Amino acid sequence: AQKITQTQPGMFVQEKEAVTLDCTYDTSDQSYGLFWYKQPSSGEMIFLIYQGSYDEQNATEGRYSLNFQKARKSANLVISASQLGDSAMYFCAMREATGNTGNQFYFGTGTSLTVIP
Amino acid sequence: DVKVTQSSRYLVKRTGEKVFLECVQDMDHENMFWYRQDPGLGLRLIYFSYDVKMKEKGDIPEGYSVSREKKERFSLILESASTNQTSMYLCASRTGGISNQPQHFGDGTRLSIL
Repeated sequence: AQKITQTQPGMFVQEKEAVTLDCTYDTSDQSYGLFWYKQPSSGEMIFLIYQGSYDEQNATEGRYSLNFQKARKSANLVISASQLGDSAMYFCAMREATGNTGNQFYFGTGTSLTVIP
Repeated sequence: DVKVTQSSRYLVKRTGEKVFLECVQDMDHENMFWYRQDPGLGLRLIYFSYDVKMKEKGDIPEGYSVSREKKERFSLILESASTNQTSMYLCASRTGGISNQPQHFGDGTRLSIL
């Protein structure tokens, strides 16, 4: 079974509008973390936002917020007031605590976001 | 700022060659990772290392090996390159322990096997 599922291969949004990118996850751990990364066409992976499994408040970072619904195992990224520079691939990732190593990361297949002027 | 440096941005090799991809980080991170990224498949973990000389297989280790002799350097080795290993390879590092710290990525190596 997929650990991270992103069901939207591509999304379009009008400039200045808000957009939600979906992410669902699968884990039996109580302690885990969820991350969102942005990958522009240049290729670098840029960390956007983090949500811990025990965090009661939804994470926010500037125009990015995370809609965390623990019971539904979803961690959707909301981008408000979209800008042309937001056009990129977006990846959802999960960190699980595993045995001695303490860190195992799983990535989704990504969502390609295009912002339309 | 954390800097993760991959030795090559683009690399072209021939089938059967032994290929080395090098990754260096400058933040004394315990954990280092190698991923390959293919369209429609996202990032898939090849190997990771949680300390010097320690390594764990990821989801797709076949055809690859790794070396971590020093904390700052994590090398990915393609023992005998094949065309199905043509891909983008991403290295990442992260501080150890269970925390909210993200992975920091290098710029990637686009590897073509002819």
